[in-house]
Formats: sequence, structure tokens, C-alpha cells
Amino acid sequence: GNSVTQMEGPVTLSEEAFLTINCTYTATGYPSLFWYVQYPGEGLQLLLKATKADDKGSNKGFEATYRKETTSFHLEKGSVQVSDSAVYFCALSETGNNRKLIWGLGTSLAVNP
Amino acid sequence: GAVVSQHPSRVICKSGTSVKIECRSLDFQATTMFWYRQFPKQSLMLMATSNEGSKATYEQGVEKDKFLINHASLTLSTLTVTSAHPEDSSFYICSARVQYGYTFGSGTRLTVV
Repeated sequence: GNSVTQMEGPVTLSEEAFLTINCTYTATGYPSLFWYVQYPGEGLQLLLKATKADDKGSNKGFEATYRKETTSFHLEKGSVQVSDSAVYFCALSETGNNRKLIWGLGTSLAVNP
Repeated sequence: GAVVSQHPSRVICKSGTSVKIECRSLDFQATTMFWYRQFPKQSLMLMATSNEGSKATYEQGVEKDKFLINHASLTLSTLTVTSAHPEDSSFYICSARVQYGYTFGSGTRLTVV
């Protein structure tokens, strides 16, 4: 079945460091790919998405490129801030009528000043 | 944008009682609502998918008699945890599919004492 594998955390970085959170997937068909963020004490928010191969999603300085050849959707940011401290989830949307989301386990990021 | 309002945000109940969680779509019609459960430091686990006017589809291992889902209108879906026990303590999140992907409620922290 479809699945998402996400690098384990926690990840701890200093402010202005470069961030990469790896995400790979297995899926039939052509899923859409998402990164969601959950700030402490809050619900999930969509960070960015890509709907087809080679698409690049970007938002708030974060980027991820849909790589079909490597079945990956790695999240990157060139310079993290303390306010980026959160849990990041990679997810894919199945094709079909219900199109439910398949989730990675989440990666906790802590950015120190 | 599409907003799902989830209430309550926190609830503490006694073992054996029932708790109802509501999710309302404020500015759109939610044909399909997903209900998730999130354990500490883990990913979201899909519990069930509900379509307006029909019975919910439960994921394997989720007790449908314990977690009652009602989706009687296009703007309201409810999850009732019946005869709650401490092991039901968790973070419950609803989600609706929208044009650009999915929108999430802010979650309900349930503590059963």
C-alpha cells in the first residue's frame, strides 16, 4: 500500500542554519504531496504542496520539490528561525474517490537562538 | 480560506462518560470529513471517513460503537467518544477536503480521568 517515510527527529539547529527534512514515499498512480506544520499547542497547517512531478512547493522560505525518479519530497529552508520550531509532517494524498491522506511520523524541529 | 472550527479545544471527563467533539465548516460545505487521532510524539492515525448523509467508513481496528461519527449536514460533523476510558485520552483532529487540499480543525485534547 501507499506509505510515507520521514526522517526521525528530533532535529535541533541553531538560528540561521540550513534545514533539510527528508521524506520519501511509495504510491501507485500520481499522488499529491504535502508538508504540514504543527506549532506547539496548535492544530495542523498546510505549509506547502506539489501536485505533479517536478513541481516545487514553497512558502515562508521553505521549499520542497516533487521528485518522481527518487520518490522524494524533501523539505528545505536556507536559514531557520526560532519561530520555525514545530513538528513537520510529510503526507501524500491518494488518488481515487476518498483521497485520504497518508502521513509520515512527523519530525520535531527545535531552533535555538 | 476554508475554515473548520473544532470544539471543544480541551475537555476533561470522568471514566465511563461520553464526550462529543464538533467540527463545523464555517465558509464552505464539507462533503467529506476525516477524523484523526494523534498520540504523543506520533503521527496522525486516521480513524474514519464520513460523508454527509451516509454512514462513516472506519479504519481497521477502530471501534465504530465506541467512536460514533455523525455527519448529518454539510457544515457539521461530530465524533462522540462513548464510555470513555483513560486509554482514550488523546488529541483528536478533524479535517475536510477542500479545493486546494485539506483544512484541519485546531484539535481537541481529551483527558479521561
